[in-house]
Amino acid sequence: KNEVEQSPQNLTAQEGEFITINCSYSVGISALHWLQQHPGGGIVSLFMLSSGKKKHGRLIATINIQEKHSSLHITASHPRDSAVYICAVRSAGNQFYFGTGTSLTVIP
Amino acid sequence: ETGVTQSPTHLIKTRGQQVTLRCSSQSGHNTVSWYQQALGQGPQFIFQYYREEENGRGNFPPRFSGLQFPNYSSELNVNALELDDSALYLCASSRGLAGSTDTQYFGPGTRLTVL
Repeated sequence: KNEVEQSPQNLTAQEGEFITINCSYSVGISALHWLQQHPGGGIVSLFMLSSGKKKHGRLIATINIQEKHSSLHITASHPRDSAVYICAVRSAGNQFYFGTGTSLTVIP
Repeated sequence: ETGVTQSPTHLIKTRGQQVTLRCSSQSGHNTVSWYQQALGQGPQFIFQYYREEENGRGNFPPRFSGLQFPNYSSELNVNALELDDSALYLCASSRGLAGSTDTQYFGPGTRLTVL
């Protein structure tokens, strides 16, 4: 049983589509991170959330602490958004748990 | 902007050998975390160091050990390598106190292959 579950595992979208990736977790957390990983391994931290909502460009991340759920939205998707998106949580006990990632492919 | 560097980029070892991986944190960061990412899997938390002390550990055996130096660079040491240790090893640094919610900045990783 994973402490962090993501859905979907794989996602293919047409350029311009609105994309949503979901993350559910089962532990008490101090923060939730959305990460982007490109082929070759490099990871970029997109958002760190402990409540509410954050927006950066075409990316929006929300979190519902009561429901232990977070979503990452991409508006007007573009082929350069193609990557693996990983949800990670930092537990109250200072452990880090990662989802297995959502592989996104945006087709021109 | 990430300033975290890792060395080496790639490494091949045989079973039973020992390996040391290195991470140089972004300037001003005093916390470093290490992760193991097997092919096709999400990262797994190995441990975190804050100001040269271990500050949290995941479910990894004692043959995985680490050090953080006064300049906040860090090493991950793995003894008695096993085939399943083949993975991408990532380090990430952050500013601030242990347990804070500062953003982590990831290095590019070291890909370890154990034959």
